[in-house]
Amino acid sequence: IAGITQAPTSQILAAGRRMTLRCTQDMRHNAMYWYRQDLGLGLRLIHYSNTAGTTGKGEVPDGYSVSRANTDDFPLTLASAVPSQTSVYFCASSLLRLAAKLGELFFGEGSRLTVL
Amino acid sequence: TQLLEQSPQFLSIQEGENLTVYCNSSSVFSSLQWYRQEPGEGPVLLVTVVTGGEVKKLKRLTFQFGDARKDSSLHITAAQPGDTGLYLCAGIQGAQKLVFGQGTRLTINP
Repeated sequence: IAGITQAPTSQILAAGRRMTLRCTQDMRHNAMYWYRQDLGLGLRLIHYSNTAGTTGKGEVPDGYSVSRANTDDFPLTLASAVPSQTSVYFCASSLLRLAAKLGELFFGEGSRLTVL
Repeated sequence: TQLLEQSPQFLSIQEGENLTVYCNSSSVFSSLQWYRQEPGEGPVLLVTVVTGGEVKKLKRLTFQFGDARKDSSLHITAAQPGDTGLYLCAGIQGAQKLVFGQGTRLTINP
C-alpha cells in the first residue's frame, strides 16, 4: 500500500541553499497540497493544486514554489532556504477539489527539514 | 490569530477517564473535520460533520458540530493509551483553503 510518498524523510540544510521536497501519489487524486507543521501553530497551507497544470497560494506561500506537471507529482521548492523554514512538511492529496463539502485529505509521513 | 482555536492544547489523563476537546471559531463553516496524528506520521481523518447540531459516534469517540456551525467538540469515553495522539480540527476557508486548528496533544497514562 503506497498512497503518498515523500522524500527525503529528513534533511539538514545550510541557509541559502536550494532544496526540493518530493511528493508522489498513486491514488490518481486530482488535488494536492503542501502544509508545514510547527509547534503551537498546527498545519498551515503553503501551496495547493486542484489539477495537473494549475497551482494556487495558501496561507504561507512566501519563499516556496510548486509545480504540477502531472497528476502524480507535486514537488515543493525552497529557492534559498532560511532558518524560519525549519519545519515538518506534509504533502496531502484529495480525490475531489475542496469545496463547501469537505473531502478526505490523505497525508504523507512528512519531511523534517532543518535550516541552519 | 488562529481561525480555529482548539482547547486544551495539552491534556494528560489516566486510563479510563473521560475527556472533551473543543474546536472554536468566530466564523461559520459548512463542515468540519477531525484528524488524529501519531508521532512520525501524517494526520488521518476520523470524521466529517456537515450539519449544525450533528452528532457522530466512532466507538468511544463522539463528535458534535455546534448548532451555529462555528464550533465542534470531541468527547472520548473511558480513554485508553491507544487514544494518545495529536487531535486536529479542520474547516474550509474560502474556495480552496482547508485550515487547521493548532491541535490538542492528548496523553493517556496507563
